[in-house]
Formats: sequence, C-alpha cells, structure tokens
Amino acid sequence: EVQLVESGGALVQPGGSLRLSCAASGFTFSSYAMNWVRQAPGKGLEWVSAISDDGGSTYYADSVKGRFTISRDNSRDTLYLQMNSLRADDTAVYYCAKDAVVLIATTLDYWGQGTLVTVSS
Amino acid sequence: DIQMTQSPSSLSASVGDRVTITCQASQDISNFLNWYQQKPGKAPSLLIYDASNLETGVPSRFSGSGSGTDFSFTISSLQPEDVATYYCQQYDNLPLTFGGGTKMEIK
Repeated sequence: EVQLVESGGALVQPGGSLRLSCAASGFTFSSYAMNWVRQAPGKGLEWVSAISDDGGSTYYADSVKGRFTISRDNSRDTLYLQMNSLRADDTAVYYCAKDAVVLIATTLDYWGQGTLVTVSS
Repeated sequence: DIQMTQSPSSLSASVGDRVTITCQASQDISNFLNWYQQKPGKAPSLLIYDASNLETGVPSRFSGSGSGTDFSFTISSLQPEDVATYYCQQYDNLPLTFGGGTKMEIK
C-alpha cells in the first residue's frame, strides 16, 4: 500500500524558515517524480514544486521560486521542501504527491494527508 | 501559464441525479487533463486521468470526456458519499494548474 506521510508543519513568523518532510513507503520511491501541492485555508489547490526521480531536475511555481527548495533522499525514501523567507500568503496545508509515471509533474496518483504551515507574527 | 476555468463553482443535486461539471483550458492541452475528488478535511484523490480514463478502484458512475480546450466530468447517479469538491488539473505544461473547484452538495 502506497503511503505518504508529511511532517514539519508549524507556526512560523514572517521571514522565517521551515523544512517539510514526506516519508514514502509501499512503492519504489527512487523510480518516480514527486511533487508538493498546497492549499490555503478555504481555497483551491496550487502546485508548488516537482523533482525528478533521481533529483537531477527540479521545477517551481513562480510564487515560490528563489525561496523554496525541493530535494529528495532516495536512500531514505524521503522528499523535502525547504521553505525560506516565508510570507503570510504561504500559509497553507502542504501535500506531497507522487507522479503516476516516470515523467515529471503529470498525474498525481497518491497524496499524503498534508501538513499545516502557518506564517504569522 | 494555462488557466483552467471550472464551472459551476457549486452544485446542489438530489441522490440519483446525473450531474456534470465542465472545465475549459485557456489553450489546447490535448487530453492532458485529470479530475480529482477532495472530501471535507481530506487529501485529494485521483478519479479520472488523461481526460477519460477511470483510475483503478473508482466507481463506474464517474466518467470524463473531452479534448483540446473543453472537458466535462459526470457522475451518472449522485450518491451521498460523493459530497466533495472536484478539481480539474492540466499537465500539458508546467506549472501544473488546477481549476477553481466545484463543491458538490446533496439537496
């Protein structure tokens, strides 16, 4: 059974940093691209970032480019999102999501339960 | 970025009704279109991929169609457990973009 478990969400002040983790199990993690998608309170879904199966290629939404860094450790089956210079509009539930195929950022067939990031003073 | 316009934003129907949601892309995306269901307080889950293919384990009352810029999603017989918000999503180009969502309720 595929499982994605996010952690690391917290209350952080504007300008602060946070690192999210997503522990994967039930599939060959190193064979699939992975994504982060967020959802602000009461709002829709916004894709944030994607990383290729080997970590060699990364992509970002313009809203987070230069502030967020996606990475992965295939030896630990874990996906990360390093978030710096956080702003109030980064407040959201952050989901990690698995790509269904080898190609990056296509169909998201499994999602974690999400972790809440709140940016507020 | 490709804009995805989804309508209606909310829909109230009776159990057993046939309901349809539409999604329009701002440019031709071929069939690179997925549909997701998000139940209250839960993560999204994949229902339809590549515009018309039913994900494994998803009930057959759900279906999708369309190509190019115009797509539709249908529930043939609405059930109480279908109360959720539904999103379309394109993957023709990065960034991935989602429609604004359709909140489905039971009358």
